[in-house]
Amino acid sequence: GDSVTQMEGPVTLSEEAFLTINCTYTATGYPSLFWYVQYPGEGLQLLLKATKADDKGSNKGFEATYRKETTSFHLEKGSVQVSDSAVYFCALSGEGFKTIFGAGTRLFVKA
Amino acid sequence: KAGVTQTPRYLIKTRGQQVTLSCSPISGHRSVSWYQQTPGQGLQFLFEYFSETQRNKGNFPGRFSGRQFSNSRSEMNVSTLELGDSALYLCASSSSGRVDEQYFGPGTRLTVT
Repeated sequence: GDSVTQMEGPVTLSEEAFLTINCTYTATGYPSLFWYVQYPGEGLQLLLKATKADDKGSNKGFEATYRKETTSFHLEKGSVQVSDSAVYFCALSGEGFKTIFGAGTRLFVKA
Repeated sequence: KAGVTQTPRYLIKTRGQQVTLSCSPISGHRSVSWYQQTPGQGLQFLFEYFSETQRNKGNFPGRFSGRQFSNSRSEMNVSTLELGDSALYLCASSSSGRVDEQYFGPGTRLTVT
């Protein structure tokens, strides 16, 4: 079945460092891919999405490119801030009316 | 436009009891999905409803059930609660019939003692 694998955390960075969180997927067909973010005590929020191969999703300085050849959707940000500290989830929406989430990667950003 | 709301936000129940959680989706959204989030298992899909029909169900025991009303509001019920049911229960709504990007509520924190 469909699955999402993302790098384990926690990831600890200093402010203004470069961020990469790796995500790979297994799916039949042509899924849509997402990154969601969860701040403490809150539900998930959609961060960005891509619906077809080579699409780049971007929002709030975060970017991710849908790479079908490597089945990947890595999240990147050029300069992280303390306020980016949260848990990040990679997800896919394919067949069967459900979204599959990765395990989540916790990010800590130090001032 | 108001976001997804979930009630109650916090709940403490005793083993063996049952509980009902409620979710009101964003106006106009007809798809509602439920997830269980725990530190050990992460986000696990419970079920999805669209126009009062359950279209998909996750791998949970029959103690977990749900329904959706004609106004798209949804409820989930857990009967005969177990300690392992302690979790954050998240509801999400989607505007498309395909279940594309989802909008999440803040969750209901259920503690079973």
